[in-house]
Amino acid sequence: AQSVTQLDSQVPVFEEAPVELRCNYSSSVSVYLFWYVQYPNQGLQLLLKYLSGSTLVKGINGFEAEFNKSQTSFHLRKPSVHISDTAEYFCALSNFGNEKLTFGTGTRLTIIP
Amino acid sequence: SAVISQKPSRDICQRGTSLTIQCQVDSQVTMMFWYRQQPGQSLTLIATANQGSEATYESGFVIDKFPISRPNLTFSTLTVSNMSPEDSSIYLCSVESGTEFSYEQYFGPGTRLTVT
Repeated sequence: AQSVTQLDSQVPVFEEAPVELRCNYSSSVSVYLFWYVQYPNQGLQLLLKYLSGSTLVKGINGFEAEFNKSQTSFHLRKPSVHISDTAEYFCALSNFGNEKLTFGTGTRLTIIP
Repeated sequence: SAVISQKPSRDICQRGTSLTIQCQVDSQVTMMFWYRQQPGQSLTLIATANQGSEATYESGFVIDKFPISRPNLTFSTLTVSNMSPEDSSIYLCSVESGTEFSYEQYFGPGTRLTVT
């Protein structure tokens, strides 16, 4: 069985401060990892993904994430957040040959002006 | 990329009735997925729908409650049958796109269902 853990259900951050949203996973096989963002009353949008290769991946809106196999983590970071980053962020994984996504419980990022 | 639309965007239904949600994609795709997002929670996969075959349901979901159709490579429907307030959720369809080395799943905007 595989799983995704997002330990922080809510993260408040001051505007222009850096942020890290944590994601840990468990899987017995190689994984693909994703971060999705869900703005209020909208569907999910892909922020970034790790399939293979460089462990540091860059996504849209200035976000980046680092795949750490030894720590089974895929934390999301942004050096300076903006009000528009207020949203729910979901970490997800799938396996090679199995397209089904397993989602974490989500982290609500709130930006404080 | 893939652009996905869903109908209806939201609905309020009475318990005991059924609602059919439509998902339309702007390109042909092999696999379509239906997810449920209960209030304040994450997404849970309901089933995978391939064109020309029966949908594959995840543990805890059954065809009698969530019948799915997949008549062609750009369209699918999910029916929520005999609804109860516990079925109040956002229902999202998604499709996979790309290759092994550029794989992504795209999501529709969701259908917000409230059962009274």
